[in-house]
Amino acid sequence: SYVLTQPPSVSVAPGKTARISCGGTNIGTKTVHWYQQKPGRAPALVIHFDSDRPSAIPERFSGSNSGNTATLTISRVEAGDEADYYCQVWDRSSDHQWVFGGGTKLTVL
Amino acid sequence: EVQLVESGGGLVKPGGSLRLSCAASGFSFSSHNMNWVRQAPGKGLEWVSSISTSSRYINYAGSVKGRFTISRDNAKNSLFLQMNSLRADDTAVYYCAREGTSGSYADYWGQGTLVTVSS
Repeated sequence: SYVLTQPPSVSVAPGKTARISCGGTNIGTKTVHWYQQKPGRAPALVIHFDSDRPSAIPERFSGSNSGNTATLTISRVEAGDEADYYCQVWDRSSDHQWVFGGGTKLTVL
Repeated sequence: EVQLVESGGGLVKPGGSLRLSCAASGFSFSSHNMNWVRQAPGKGLEWVSSISTSSRYINYAGSVKGRFTISRDNAKNSLFLQMNSLRADDTAVYYCAREGTSGSYADYWGQGTLVTVSS
């Protein structure tokens, strides 16, 4: 079963850049999607197909994927970006068709 | 505006059953694959099940296979999850999620419905 590994937490000062990693064997050969989940709310898509942003998502959010690591980058971090972030891939061979990473809590200092 | 509204959650005893519903609006429901994703209290996201537009293709996570049944009614813009033989580790918020047109991800989520399995 395919496994995605995320750091449990990332902290960043306002205005700085946050990078959240998502590790998986040859993840660069898969397409990665990212979700933001604020406390008590449903997840929301912020990046799909590695680096595409839904129209409502600010340009400050970007994604990349290569080798064994995908990365969600949030530039000029704001207090409102504080949330849990999950990466996800589709893996037909896995027990779970949609495989999620364990999630990363982004704290804005 | 795309809306997904889940209902049917609640408290159930181990071994019991529950049927979740998801009412969809604001888009062509019959044109999208649909999924259920759950989140145990304080934990991460776990994909549960998916169903294709015509119900031809259905998949389940191993943890629920044989106990849960996903279905849909395109005429009523509704998605369902029949949950039988419930266990304590099925306790979670259950989200209905629309699959993006290009597949493999969720572009819209409902607000979730809480299922608690406890004696």
